[in-house]
Amino acid sequence: GAGVSQSPSNKVTEKGKDVELRCDPISGHTALYWYRQSLGQGLEFLIYFQGNSAPDKSGLPSDRFSAERTGGSVSTLTIQRTQQEDSAVYLCASSLVGQGSAGGRSYEQYFGPGTRLTVT
Amino acid sequence: RKEVEQDPGPFNVPEGATVAFNCTYSNSASQSFFWYRQDCRKEPKLLMSVYSSGNEDGRFTAQLNRASQYISLLIRDSKLSDSATYLCVVNAYSRNSGNTPLVFGKGTRLSVIA
Repeated sequence: GAGVSQSPSNKVTEKGKDVELRCDPISGHTALYWYRQSLGQGLEFLIYFQGNSAPDKSGLPSDRFSAERTGGSVSTLTIQRTQQEDSAVYLCASSLVGQGSAGGRSYEQYFGPGTRLTVT
Repeated sequence: RKEVEQDPGPFNVPEGATVAFNCTYSNSASQSFFWYRQDCRKEPKLLMSVYSSGNEDGRFTAQLNRASQYISLLIRDSKLSDSATYLCVVNAYSRNSGNTPLVFGKGTRLSVIA
C-alpha cells in the first residue's frame, strides 16, 4: 500500500517568507508526527496529532511554527517569517495508534521522504 | 543520563564481519523498543521491533536487557548495503499521563568496507 507522502520534496525560500509543508499519512493511521533533522544531527520532535487534535506541541521551536490536521488525514506545517536556522529536513511520520492508546506500549512510526527546506 | 544514548561511531568493519551496537535508555518504565535504519539523506526506516524475548530477522538479532536498561543490535555477515546509521528508539512511557512518546537516539554510523 501507499506509504507516507510529503510535498514538496525540496523548498528553497527567502528569509522572511512563509512556507507550507504537507504530509499525507498512511491511510487509517490515526497518529501523525512532525520532526525536523538538521544535517548530521538527530531527529527533533516538533508536534504530535491524534486525529485532528494536537495533544503535544511541546517541540515547536517558536510561535512562527504552527501545524494543523484536517479530516484526520492530511497535515500541514506552516513556518512564518522563515529564518536561516529553519533550514533542515522536515519529516512526517504516522502510526496506526497514538500515544497512550496501547497500555504503555507504542506502535511503530512510518516516515515520509521528508521536505528539504533551505532558507536563503 | 540522556533518555537514549548511543555510541555515534563510526564503526568501520570489513564485509562478512559481525558487528554489535548497544543503546542505553533512562526510563525504566519504557515498554516499546525499536531499531531504525537511516541511509544518508533518506528518511528513517523501521528495521525491527525489539521484544523481551529477543528477536531475529535473518542476519539481524535484537536483544533487550531490562535490568541494565539497554538494547542491542547484532549484524552477522555484514554486507556493503548495511552501511547506514542505526537509530535506537525507545518509548518514554509516563505512568502518570499515560503518554508514550517515542524517543529517537542520535544513531550509530556503520560503514562496511569491501
